[in-house]
Amino acid sequence: EADIYQTPRYLVIGTGKKITLECSQTMGHDKMYWYQQDPGMELHLIHYSYGVNSTEKGDLSSESTVSRIRTEHFPLTLESARPSHTSQYLCASSDPSGARGDTQYFGPGTRLTVL
Amino acid sequence: AQSVTQLGSHVSVSEGALVLLRCNYSSSVPPYLFWYVQYPNQGLQLLLKYTTGATLVKGINGFEAEFKKSETSFHLTKPSAHMSDAAEYFCAVQGAQKLVFGQGTRLTINP
Repeated sequence: EADIYQTPRYLVIGTGKKITLECSQTMGHDKMYWYQQDPGMELHLIHYSYGVNSTEKGDLSSESTVSRIRTEHFPLTLESARPSHTSQYLCASSDPSGARGDTQYFGPGTRLTVL
Repeated sequence: AQSVTQLGSHVSVSEGALVLLRCNYSSSVPPYLFWYVQYPNQGLQLLLKYTTGATLVKGINGFEAEFKKSETSFHLTKPSAHMSDAAEYFCAVQGAQKLVFGQGTRLTINP
């Protein structure tokens, strides 16, 4: 069973606030990912990391930033939240083998609402 | 580049009926293929995956999928639907550095 955690699960904030969405995994996975998903819609990759001090932008342009100081921790930050950032954010990690076909394990998600 | 198309954004079946969710892929290399399920307000959970070997893959909760190279398909099936199967289902293909997901199919089960 995969162990990947996201906090908070739900967040409602006002425009202009700085927020950090937390993601942690206890599996020792090198690769981690952030996806954005609107209700009933497909997933869009916004950030990923191959390991400590590695971060890359994904397919969907995002105003958020990420950091990877520790293997187990991959937080996502929005410096100034706007209503257009309202969405569900999913964190995932994958097996450290590096082989193709490595399974991604997902956290429960954070549903963000910006008023 | 890899891509995935899921045919039908919504599928509705009766409890006890066959479930068939369609997925076609495009890949320039032998594909690694996945099916994930997402229940309301949760993350994605792996149902099954195909890497190499047997083309009929069995997963959790009674689901299975068959890799058909000639048809570039990886359709998901379950012989008898349960109410608990109601969820969103995503097909995905392994890309160069990440998974490429389809747009998802919402499965509804009618009592």
